[in-house]
Amino acid sequence: DIQMTQSPSSLSASVGDRVTITCRASQSISSYLNWYQQKPGKAPNLLIYAASSLQSGVPSRFSGSGSGTDFTLTISSLQPEDFGTYYCQQSYSSPRTFGRGTKVEI
Amino acid sequence: EVQLVESGGGLVQPGGSLRLSCAVSGFTVSSNYMNWVRQAPGKGLEWVSVIHSDGSTYYADSVKGRFTISRHSSKNTVDLQMNSLRAEDTAVYYCARHDGGFGPFDYWGQGTLVTVSS
Repeated sequence: DIQMTQSPSSLSASVGDRVTITCRASQSISSYLNWYQQKPGKAPNLLIYAASSLQSGVPSRFSGSGSGTDFTLTISSLQPEDFGTYYCQQSYSSPRTFGRGTKVEI
Repeated sequence: EVQLVESGGGLVQPGGSLRLSCAVSGFTVSSNYMNWVRQAPGKGLEWVSVIHSDGSTYYADSVKGRFTISRHSSKNTVDLQMNSLRAEDTAVYYCARHDGGFGPFDYWGQGTLVTVSS
């Protein structure tokens, strides 16, 4: 199975800050990397797919980059509603493994 | 509008069984790849099982031999039959769709809680 390692596991930032979360795959996954946001008590919500494609309806302050084994999710200007836990997921092979999550506190 | 609605969760004793169901509207389950993903309390996301559009099924090692995924085209639902339940199966169970290939899980249900405890 492909292991996904996220860092940091948690972070605290202020409104307006630029926030970066990284995700590393244990082997190359090309660009088959997705990012989800999850708020407490809710289902995950797709933000970014194929490493850098913004899901419809997701604010443009979210962006993704990377390929191969190293990927980044960036929030350009953190907003109060961006709190929650962010997960990366590889869709290169089965099982579709997730990272352990990054909790963002504001 | 796309909706996925899970049901069937509850409290069950270790060794017991439970059947979860995911009712889908807005797309046809048999034309998509339908997954179950679970989240233990305070933990991350764990993929559990998938049924492909061709009917093939796959499972996480942690549930292989105990869980069975199936779909019912007439009702447009996906089920997860869970047998020989263990305490470590306690989690919120979500159904989620991807459209095959390398696509992401783009639609999710709200989840149903399964608690395995005596």
